[in-house]
Parts: sequence; C-alpha cells; structure tokens
Amino acid sequence: KNQVEQSPQSLIILEGKNCTLQCNYTVSPFSNLRWYKQDTGRGPVSLTIMTFSENTKSNGRYTATLDADTKQSSLHITASQLSDSASYICVVSATGNQFYFGTGTSLTVIP
Amino acid sequence: DADVTQTPRNRITKTGKRIMLECSQTKGHDRMYWYRQDPGLGLRLIYYSFDVKDINKGEISDGYSVSRQAQAKFSLSLESAIPNQTALYFCATSEPKTGLDGYTFGSGTRLTVV
Repeated sequence: KNQVEQSPQSLIILEGKNCTLQCNYTVSPFSNLRWYKQDTGRGPVSLTIMTFSENTKSNGRYTATLDADTKQSSLHITASQLSDSASYICVVSATGNQFYFGTGTSLTVIP
Repeated sequence: DADVTQTPRNRITKTGKRIMLECSQTKGHDRMYWYRQDPGLGLRLIYYSFDVKDINKGEISDGYSVSRQAQAKFSLSLESAIPNQTALYFCATSEPKTGLDGYTFGSGTRLTVV
C-alpha cells in the first residue's frame, strides 16, 4: 500500500534553533518527493522537489534530503524564524501523476 | 494575480443548502483537483479532472459533485450541505512533466455548515 508518514506530528522550538522533520514513504514506483509549507488558512506552497537521483536540495534555510534506498526524507530548517511557524507536508509522487500526502508536521516557533 | 484562485475564501451556510465553490487557474494546466483538509487527517482527494471531458471520483466523493466548465475552471458543489462537510477546501492544478510533476494550490475556501 502506498503511504506517506511524517513525524513528529507537532513540534515547538525556540526562535534561532534548528529542527528536522521526517518523512517515510512506501510509494512505488517513485517519481519525486516534495516538501510543502502551509501557513494557517492558506494553500500549501512547494519548498523543494527531489527526484530519485537527488539526495539533497536547499532552498534558503530549508534543506531537504532524500534516501531512496530506505525511502526516507528529511527537511532541516536552520536558524528558525517566527515566520517558519506552519505545517510542513511531504508529498510523494508516483509515476503516472499519482500523489500521496503525509498528514503534516505542525511547527511552532516561539520567541 | 494568483495562479490558482478560489472563491469564496470563506463561507457559512445552513444544513441542506446547495453551495458551489469555484476555482480558476492561469497556469494552463490540464489537470485540476479538489481536496478537503480536516485537522489531523491531512488532504483528502474529492474529485479530479485530467481535461475538460474527464471527471473522476477521489476517495471521498460522496455528497459532492464537480463541473469542469473549461480548461481553466473547475467548480465543486455540495448539493445538500451537512455539518460534517465543514472543512478547508483546496483546488489544485498539476502538469504531468516527467519527474517534475507537482501541485499548485489555491489559497483555500473555509466552509462552515451550521
């Protein structure tokens, strides 16, 4: 069964600290993996996309990693800011334009 | 202007009423989707359309219907709204470019059924 699991479900960190969010998947055949940021009451916005051959991708303070062998991805946020408070959703695409969503990690950054 | 526009942004309606949520896009994408989001459940697919003449049910289509009026427009209807349809609704588009397909989401419609 194609599934995407994210952990932790929620996370609270102090401003300026780093954090890492996890995504494990069983989707096959794999096409790509995206991390989305969703601000409260807004639509998800793509942060990074990685294909099978990529194992790291950065977007400013966001760095995503992908281990296609173990089917794991992580999103590392460096020097967190209050504006990083959001839900982060991992979406795995299977070949043929099939998408599988994780339930997200809710991140709260406190001053 | 946003690539994917949803209207209305917020709506409160009474049980039993018919309501339509609208979505339009300027991405030029053929594929359009309607999702609902509930706390703790993530995004769940209601309906999707791969072109103007194509309509497909998602995992939670009961109680909903859709219309793909044009490539750029995809509307979602609740024929007789019920309280458990209170949720955040998202329209999305995608373009099946090999290896790089992904969604562009609208800003969402918050629907409350009382």
